[in-house]
Amino acid sequence: DAKTTQPPSMDCAEGRAANLPCNHSTISGNEYVYWYRQIHSQGPQYIIHGLKNNETNEMASLIITEDRKSSTLILPHATLRDTAVYYCIVISLHTGRRALTFGSGTRLQVQP
Amino acid sequence: DGGITQSPKYLFRKEGQNVTLSCEQNLNHDAMYWYRQDPGQGLRLIYYSQIVNDFQKGDIAEGYSVSREKKESFPLTVTSAQKNPTAFYLCASSTGTESYNEQFFGPGTRLTVL
Repeated sequence: DAKTTQPPSMDCAEGRAANLPCNHSTISGNEYVYWYRQIHSQGPQYIIHGLKNNETNEMASLIITEDRKSSTLILPHATLRDTAVYYCIVISLHTGRRALTFGSGTRLQVQP
Repeated sequence: DGGITQSPKYLFRKEGQNVTLSCEQNLNHDAMYWYRQDPGQGLRLIYYSQIVNDFQKGDIAEGYSVSREKKESFPLTVTSAQKNPTAFYLCASSTGTESYNEQFFGPGTRLTVL
């Protein structure tokens, strides 16, 4: 699976959009981009995933560049409850092992 | 409500003792996973199982053992051979289908070796 690079931390004002970048320059054609988040001392929570098209759900939007070498997770109106560590993961669903490989992620602090 | 549960939430163990962490899911998922998380770090895979009565080692399986006798249960035993077992342990499950891999995580068990 391709490796990802994320900034270690970011701040965002409550009510503003939080844009979390992820670099995955070695991604291959059959690998998906997944985002999870982990609130302190809890299990990670799935947010969104995509292959090459932009995706949106009730939690967030995922923007993937045309060359697929980077992506941005957008939380449109951040709240204090969005304070968490956000993990960008690249995974191929066509291999036998589908376990997730988490890096250190980005610690998002939403400020009141 | 469907979900995945882990027990206990906190566990203390003396050095040299084996301990078993419970993981149960009622989501009818085929695949289950055990991860370990150390402070300030991401998750590392210990073991995973894609079907009943079958499981594979992950990246850090040494000192751990698992069983998968029932679809809904995937207990993890931390043996005395595990050199540094103090960590946060997370269990997860997924449908295991080809096109989708959302994993549902339990609340975790925090193991401390005294």
